[in-house]
Amino acid sequence: AQKITQTQPGMFVQEKEAVTLDCTYDTSDQSYGLFWYKQPSSGEMIFLIYQGSYDEQNATEGRYSLNFQKARKSANLVISASQLGDSAMYFCAMREGRSGGFKTIFGAGTRLFVKA
Amino acid sequence: ETGVTQTPRHLVMGMTNKKSLKCEQHLGHNAMYWYKQSAKKPLELMFVYSLEERVENNSVPSRFSPECPNSSHLFLHLHTLQPEDSALYLCASSVGSGTSGDNEQFFGPGTRLTVL
Repeated sequence: AQKITQTQPGMFVQEKEAVTLDCTYDTSDQSYGLFWYKQPSSGEMIFLIYQGSYDEQNATEGRYSLNFQKARKSANLVISASQLGDSAMYFCAMREGRSGGFKTIFGAGTRLFVKA
Repeated sequence: ETGVTQTPRHLVMGMTNKKSLKCEQHLGHNAMYWYKQSAKKPLELMFVYSLEERVENNSVPSRFSPECPNSSHLFLHLHTLQPEDSALYLCASSVGSGTSGDNEQFFGPGTRLTVL
């Protein structure tokens, strides 16, 4: 079974609008961390935002926020006021406590296209 | 130089060649990782080193051989590769293991490998 599921292979958004990228995860661990990364066409993976399983509040980092719904096992990324430079691949990832925390599992990614 | 660097950025090799990929991190991190990113596949963790000791080996074929001489350097030695090994190879580092946000991974720009 897939541990991280990103159901949107591609998404379009108009510049300056908000967009939500979906991520659901599967784990039986109580302790885990959820991460979102951005990968521009240059190839480098850039860390965006983190949510811990015990965090009660949704994480926010500038224009990025994470809509964390623990009971539904979802961790959707919300990008507000989209910019042309936001066009990239976005990956949701999870670290489980029982694996010692070294193993990060990535989803298949969502390609975001921002239209001018 | 700062962050995580990888050399070479592009590599074309024949199936009988022997080559090495190099990764260097200037962040004082204790853990380093090799990932393989193929087209239309999620990022695959290959190897993890913590304090120069291999802690994760994800059933990678023996034609890939990692080496971590110190906490700042990580190599991936390649020999008798197959065309299906063509991919983007990403190196990453983190402060340590664990599920906390402090252990976000910092990625290098990757080496685009083509096996003929």
